[in-house]
Amino acid sequence: DSGVTQTPKHLITATGQRVTLRCSPRSGDLSVYWYQQSLDQGLQFLIQYYNGEERAKGNILERFSAQQFPDLHSELNLSSLELGDSALYFCASSLAPQETQYFGPGTRLLVL
Amino acid sequence: AQSVTQPDIHITVSEGASLELRCNYSYGATPYLFWYVQSPGQGLQLLLKYFSGDTLVQGIKGFEAEFKRSQSSFNLRKPSVHWSDAAEYFCAVAYSGAGSYQLTFGKGTKLSVIP
Repeated sequence: DSGVTQTPKHLITATGQRVTLRCSPRSGDLSVYWYQQSLDQGLQFLIQYYNGEERAKGNILERFSAQQFPDLHSELNLSSLELGDSALYFCASSLAPQETQYFGPGTRLLVL
Repeated sequence: AQSVTQPDIHITVSEGASLELRCNYSYGATPYLFWYVQSPGQGLQLLLKYFSGDTLVQGIKGFEAEFKRSQSSFNLRKPSVHWSDAAEYFCAVAYSGAGSYQLTFGKGTKLSVIP
């Protein structure tokens, strides 16, 4: 158990819908990262937050957005969902940006 | 841009045999290197990491990896594989940019273990 929690574990929805994925970092960690794992693209970095502020963006679509709240939990919002958004979404956290990232169990999203 | 190559998509070994998983990276500066393992239906677990210093790094579950700058490699090894090691293994490099350390992952190597 890494100490990073993600909810829900599984999510099934329809195209065009919007969903919110939630992540609670390890106690004391200030930095949160989101990654997407799909069969065709592999593991890709989406976005990073540090102490409530966005630090870096990777291959994140404009339909996707995220935020980190004052209690340091983070949410990833996916809107206008398409079939291709079906993937495993991981959250990771670290004490600081240059520290080791610890991954949560992931949220498996299926868009029908 | 940084990249990570894991040339072997799938490897099968017998239980008790030795294992080496290959990883090559492309990165302009001194890399931070990682190996993660993902069991079916599970998240990613950190096996070991290299930041600096001794180029032979010991990790959990009896794994080790050696950083070879001249070959841009960070291969993962285990002297004797157990059936429970069957999983997918990912090599990653940390990319430093503007106070962020984004991980770039290889495509992964799936390990099957024959009893």
